[in-house]
Amino acid sequence: GAGVSQSPSNKVTEKGKDVELRCDPISGHTALYWYRQSLGQGLEFLIYFQGNSAPDKSGLPSDRFSAERTGGSVSTLTIQRTQQEDSAVYLCASSQTGISSYEQYFGPGTRLTVT
Amino acid sequence: DQQVKQNSPSLSVQEGRISILNCDYTNSMFDYFLWYKKYPAEGPTFLISISSIKDKNEDGRFTVFLNKSAKHLSLHIVPSQPGDSAVYFCAASLNYGQNFVFGPGTRLSVLP
Repeated sequence: GAGVSQSPSNKVTEKGKDVELRCDPISGHTALYWYRQSLGQGLEFLIYFQGNSAPDKSGLPSDRFSAERTGGSVSTLTIQRTQQEDSAVYLCASSQTGISSYEQYFGPGTRLTVT
Repeated sequence: DQQVKQNSPSLSVQEGRISILNCDYTNSMFDYFLWYKKYPAEGPTFLISISSIKDKNEDGRFTVFLNKSAKHLSLHIVPSQPGDSAVYFCAASLNYGQNFVFGPGTRLSVLP
């Protein structure tokens, strides 16, 4: 079946511009996560959705970052007024709910470069 | 403050030998632990997991050991194969999957 998809795969933007990153989770997966991986760093948790609601937004680095999820499916991560330190690979993952379904399925990521 | 640590950034082993990847954590509230493997230009893929109530889980060539008193877990790969060469991330769950904390990763190279 189809896995998690993300678009675009690469995005180059100028400092100060806004960007939107998209994630299509696996059908039926109610949990959705956003992470980012900066060069040489591990995966940094950004936000988690259960259905359309985000009970934990604590990982968002600043108020320039926001995310939404509609219809319990597609999610968009928006970064306003991008800064060079926002350059990273942004990864989306989805999982089924339930204590037996911790395994997350990751998309290929969006590589964001802010010039 | 890193809650999940992987102190070895890289590891090289000979094909056929055992690979041991280590992970240490600081938060005793973690309830589940997972290992992911990541190839370049791809998202991480789930490898194996272990609940905090267990001390060992085995799946084929992969075994994860958990030592709660030491707040330490390890991934054993036996025998190692060149296709195992990847970056391995240790991850820990809080609140039954609501939060995941990842370690920085260990790059494993299996030499033929």
